[in-house]
Amino acid sequence: DIVLTQSPESLAVSLGERATIRCTSSQSILFTSANKNYLTWYQQRPGQPPKLLIYSASSRESGVPDRFSGSGSGTDFTLTISSLQAEDVAVYYCQQYYSAPITFGQGTRLELK
Amino acid sequence: QVDLVESGGGLVKPGGSLRLSCAASGFIFSDYYMAWIRQAPGKGLEWVSYIGSTGSPIHYADSVKGRFTMSRDNAKDSIYLEMNSLRAEDTAMYYCARARAAAFDPWGQGTLVTVSS
Repeated sequence: DIVLTQSPESLAVSLGERATIRCTSSQSILFTSANKNYLTWYQQRPGQPPKLLIYSASSRESGVPDRFSGSGSGTDFTLTISSLQAEDVAVYYCQQYYSAPITFGQGTRLELK
Repeated sequence: QVDLVESGGGLVKPGGSLRLSCAASGFIFSDYYMAWIRQAPGKGLEWVSYIGSTGSPIHYADSVKGRFTMSRDNAKDSIYLEMNSLRAEDTAMYYCARARAAAFDPWGQGTLVTVSS
């Protein structure tokens, strides 16, 4: 199974500051034939289901604010929030769709400082 | 508007059974893979199963293989999860989700399954 490890487990950031969350995969999740990384990021606010933010490592979902960006390839990926807003307080998960079983990172809790 | 609504959760004793349903609307259901994902209270996300657009393939997490059965009815725009031999560790919010672009989107609001004596 592919193991996704997120760091840090929790993060406190001030309003307007940058937040960076890392996701490391136990093996490459780059589909070389398609040149795509099957790595997805979700946001889960309290009491809500997860919401898709970023797919294929760096493609922002329609309607997601452009302060959210994803980067990385192979085994190392990053979710960046360029200027934190109050509504960004949530738990963030990465997920790989490269091979079964589909797996998620353990989550990163983002709070306001 | 794309919408997914789960139902069928509840309290069940260890060893018991439950059938979850998920009704879809707002998109061409038969074009998409669908999935079940669960989240134990206060814990992270765990993929449970997915099913192809026509009913195959079907894949399960090892933790539920042999006990859970996923199915779909494209005439009713619905998927189902038959859960047997339930254990305390199956206690979780169960979400259905549409699979697209190697991601799950959207997710339903979930239905809570509690396995306890």
